[in-house]
Amino acid sequence: QQPVQSPQAVILREGEDAVINCSSSKALYSVHWYRQKHGEAPVFLMILLKGGEQKGHEKISASFNEKKQQSSLYLTASQLSYSGTYFCGTGNPFGNEKLTFGTGTRLTIIP
Amino acid sequence: EAGVTQFPSHSVIEKGQTVTLRCDPISGHDNLYWYRRVMGKEIKFLLHFVKESKQDESGMPNNRFLAERTGGTYSTLKVQPAELEDSGVYFCASSQKPGRPYEQYFGPGTRLTVT
Repeated sequence: QQPVQSPQAVILREGEDAVINCSSSKALYSVHWYRQKHGEAPVFLMILLKGGEQKGHEKISASFNEKKQQSSLYLTASQLSYSGTYFCGTGNPFGNEKLTFGTGTRLTIIP
Repeated sequence: EAGVTQFPSHSVIEKGQTVTLRCDPISGHDNLYWYRRVMGKEIKFLLHFVKESKQDESGMPNNRFLAERTGGTYSTLKVQPAELEDSGVYFCASSQKPGRPYEQYFGPGTRLTVT
C-alpha cells in the first residue's frame, strides 16, 4: 500500500514556508524524502528512522510520528531552487530493501 | 565520486522490439535497485540486487523483463518483447552495504517510449 502525500501540489512565493505530509497505512520503520526536478534524477534529501535518528540536508527538516504513521517535510524560507516534485518513500524493518513511494507533491516557487 | 549513471538516457522502440537498459552504480555500493515511473504515477519498485544476487524481484511486471548484475558491478534490464504499457522512466539506485536503511542514490533514468 503506497503512502499518501498531501498536498498534491502547492504554489508558493519565494521566502514562504511549506509543509509536505506523508501518511502510511502500515507501521513506519524508515521514511526517505527525495526531490525530483523535471528530467533529472530524484535527489536524496532526508532519511528518518524509527527511534528518532535523522540524516539529511541542512536547510530542510522533517518529523517522524510513529504513532500516527506519518512524516512531514518542512521547507522554510523557500528558494526558487526548491521547486520540483517531492516524494516520500517508506522502508521496511529489514533495511536496504525496496522503497514504496507516494504519488508525489509538486512544489512551485515563484519570485 | 561519480554518481549512478544510466544508459541510454532515452530510447524509442516499436512494440515487439527488445531494449536493454544499463545501470552503473556508485563504486562500492552492494545494493542496486531498479524502479519505474509511469507518466503521472508514483515511482514503483521493480527489483533489488545485493552484489550479483537478486534479493527481491517482486516488482517485476512479468517475464518479459529480465535483470542481471554481472560480477556485482553494473546491471542491465532487458525488456523483450516490449509492449506499449512498458513506456515510462526507468530509474536505477544504489546504496551501501545491507544491515540498516541507507540512503539510495538515484541515476538520471532512462526514458523508454514504446510506440
